Amino acid sequence: DAGVIQSPRHEVTEMGQEVTLRCKPISGHDYLFWYRQTMMRGLELLIYFNNNVPIDDSGMPEDRFSAKMPNASFSTLKIQPSEPRDSAVYFCASRRVNYGYTFGSGTRLTVV
Amino acid sequence: RKEVEQDPGPFNVPEGATVAFNCTYSNSASQSFFWYRQDCRKEPKLLMSVYSSGNEDGRFTAQLNRASQYISLLIRDSKLSDSATYLCVVNYNQGGKLIFGQGTELSVKP
Repeated sequence: DAGVIQSPRHEVTEMGQEVTLRCKPISGHDYLFWYRQTMMRGLELLIYFNNNVPIDDSGMPEDRFSAKMPNASFSTLKIQPSEPRDSAVYFCASRRVNYGYTFGSGTRLTVV
Repeated sequence: RKEVEQDPGPFNVPEGATVAFNCTYSNSASQSFFWYRQDCRKEPKLLMSVYSSGNEDGRFTAQLNRASQYISLLIRDSKLSDSATYLCVVNYNQGGKLIFGQGTELSVKP
């Protein structure tokens, strides 16, 4: 079991640029979650999918953020245009019903 | 009021000490409960689930009080390697999202 795989591990970009974060969930997990973590706000749920369908995107901060899950093994989180306040660690997690999450290692995003 | 509240700490304890963390949650419909551990600059990892009857895993004991909407984690004989942030987590339904507390930072000193 390779776990939840996220890429890239680190991303430094300039304000205004598009950023795409990627996630491969654990095979057989039917839920996928995107979280953002900062010192000030802790772990915030941005959006989650069940069987590739977005269920709750109420945590997506603005229209600049979008997420897709075209199939059971891949999801993306896109920020366009990026801003310095988007700097954070972005985690992807997956789970099966009745079990806890397994998190990926995260993407550390810095927008300068 | 936050959905899940924890004392952020930090808790600074000597090796061998017993330390307890508390957590309260606001939604009485919450159905499942977990403690996660997060090391500095790492992802959160599941430490243990919390069951209604209470449960123990080695030096770790978790308790749930549904009437008071309160969860606790007790660590006995603390080790240096227990230094981390401990996250209280609740789930409103069996399939959906988990709500995380802000975390309690523990530092175990020699």
